[in-house]
Amino acid sequence: EAQVTQNPRYLITVTGKKLTVTCSQNMNHEYMSWYRQDPGLGLRQIYYSMNVEVTDKGDVPEGYKVSRKEKRNFPLILESPSPNQTSLYFCASSFAGGGNTIYFGEGSWLTVV
Amino acid sequence: GQQLNQSPQSMFIQEGEDVSMNCTSSSIFNTWLWYKQDPGEGPVLLIALYKAGELTSNGRLTAQFGITRKDSFLNISASIPSDVGIYFCAGQLYTSGTYKYIFGTGTRLKVLA
Repeated sequence: EAQVTQNPRYLITVTGKKLTVTCSQNMNHEYMSWYRQDPGLGLRQIYYSMNVEVTDKGDVPEGYKVSRKEKRNFPLILESPSPNQTSLYFCASSFAGGGNTIYFGEGSWLTVV
Repeated sequence: GQQLNQSPQSMFIQEGEDVSMNCTSSSIFNTWLWYKQDPGEGPVLLIALYKAGELTSNGRLTAQFGITRKDSFLNISASIPSDVGIYFCAGQLYTSGTYKYIFGTGTRLKVLA
């Protein structure tokens, strides 16, 4: 089954404790992206990757890091989480180029206390 | 970041009624996508549109890619209680040398039995 898989789905952590949210897709997509979703603000792009070893900042990259060492994986790293990073996070992927559809993971609820 | 204008923001309807929502932008898109998101879950693709003027159905759902390529609408016919959720549009456009997805802020649909 074609899917985007995120882990963990739910996490409560403390300020400053580094964490990684993993994302994996099995559709051989070149493009992968991370979004955060907050009430009233819609989906905001954090980082994206057009292919292996190619990453770029989205609209809200501060406080986040990503890596793309393999085509299927695109982990999101919070080196020193803060409460304002409490949010619902989505990983998504698609084929690169025009005329493509983007597929989302199930989401990761992150609470930083 | 850029967002699509999506309306209405929310709506209450009676079971059996038809629903219509739309997204507009000042930019030209090459792809329009419609998603449904249940609370705490990831967005699920409903309909993908790839050509201006294209009209596509998926069961009780019908969506169209506007002729100007700057808008799209989604209709739901004979709504049922399980249609409750947030619907949002996404458009893909070519900007600054890359393809980018832009998202609407969502339409929250509540169906009264």
